[in-house]
Amino acid sequence: DGGITQSPKYLFRKEGQNVTLSCEQNLNHDAMYWYRQDPGQGLRLIYYSQIVNDFQKGDIAEGYSVSREKKESFPLTVTSAQKNPTAFYLCASKDRTNYGYTFGSGTRLTVV
Amino acid sequence: SQQGEEDPQALSIQEGENATMNCSYKTSINNLQWYRQNSGRGLVHLILIRSNEREKHSGRLRVTLDTSKKSSSLLITASRAADTASYFCATDASRGFQKLVFGTGTRLLVSP
Repeated sequence: DGGITQSPKYLFRKEGQNVTLSCEQNLNHDAMYWYRQDPGQGLRLIYYSQIVNDFQKGDIAEGYSVSREKKESFPLTVTSAQKNPTAFYLCASKDRTNYGYTFGSGTRLTVV
Repeated sequence: SQQGEEDPQALSIQEGENATMNCSYKTSINNLQWYRQNSGRGLVHLILIRSNEREKHSGRLRVTLDTSKKSSSLLITASRAADTASYFCATDASRGFQKLVFGTGTRLLVSP
């Protein structure tokens, strides 16, 4: 089945650590996105990528980094510079012809 | 930046009743989309309405768009307990590469 997979489902980070969230899709979609969701604030765009080896900052990119070395993969690193990383992180993808996004099931990151 | 604001923030109804939620946005758009999110899960694309359309239907869903008022509504008819979820509107106001901006969502509870 085609889809978009995020892992892990739950992630705990200690203060000062970098952590990487995985996002893999087998839909052959060109565009991929990372959103952050906090309670009562909807989704906010962190980074997005139109094609391989290209990515752009979204509205809240500070403290995050991404790479797009393969079409299927768009990992997100939450660095120690992100002061309030506890949130629900959602990855999405879209192909060129359809306007709707396909979302993964999310990763819940908690700082301990 | 939050483009869309949903109203109400929360809605509680009985099975069989209709549920209406509204979305207001700030700038001119290319299209507006509605998504559904079950608790702790990713978002699922429900329906898209383009800026030159006024109404669309999909099963028990009816979406309207009023570009003069910069508002949209989502009507779910004959609601079921399984419709319990959060519903988000998302707008595409980008020139060129699509980037959706999501609203804050409406939490719908449908009681049996």
